[in-house]
Amino acid sequence: DAKTTQPPSMDCAEGRAANLPCNHSTISGNEYVYWYRQIHSQGPQYIIHGLKNNETNEMASLIITEDRKSSTLILPHATLRDTAVYYCIVRAGGTSYGKLTFGQGTILTVHP
Amino acid sequence: ETGVTQTPRHLVMGMTNKKSLKCEQHLGHNAMYWYKQSAKKPLELMFVYNFKEQTENNSVPSRFSPECPNSSHLFLHLHTLQPEDSALYLCASSQVMANTEAFFGQGTRLTVV
Repeated sequence: DAKTTQPPSMDCAEGRAANLPCNHSTISGNEYVYWYRQIHSQGPQYIIHGLKNNETNEMASLIITEDRKSSTLILPHATLRDTAVYYCIVRAGGTSYGKLTFGQGTILTVHP
Repeated sequence: ETGVTQTPRHLVMGMTNKKSLKCEQHLGHNAMYWYKQSAKKPLELMFVYNFKEQTENNSVPSRFSPECPNSSHLFLHLHTLQPEDSALYLCASSQVMANTEAFFGQGTRLTVV
């Protein structure tokens, strides 16, 4: 699976949009971009995933560049409860969709 | 509540003890996983089970012994652990074939003394 690069930490004001970047310049054609988050000492929580089109769900939006070498997770109206470590993961399709390679992620701190 | 339940939530054990961690899912998934998260480190995949069969063991020491009696239950049997095995142990489940998300339990915080 392709390696990803994320900034170690970011801050965001409550109520504002949080834009979390991820670089995955070695991504191959059959690899998806997944985002998970982990609130302190809890299990990771799925947020969203996509292949090449932009995706939106009730939690967030995922913007993938046309060359697919980078993506941005957008939390449109961040709240204090969105403070967590956010992981960008690239993995191929196939089987065992819980087989994930986690990096260090981005620590997002949402402040009042 | 994610649909994946782990027990116990906290466990303290001596190096000569034998204990087991339990994971249960009622999501109809057919793949289950054990992950380890040590302090200041990323999550590391330990074991993968597809349709109750172990398909992956990421060079995990034999003092960790997984068991998957059916698609809904996963155990991690522990014996003669070391203090460096202290960590958060997370269970996850997913479908084997469908491109959907994995669901994680809340984890068991293990301390080896």
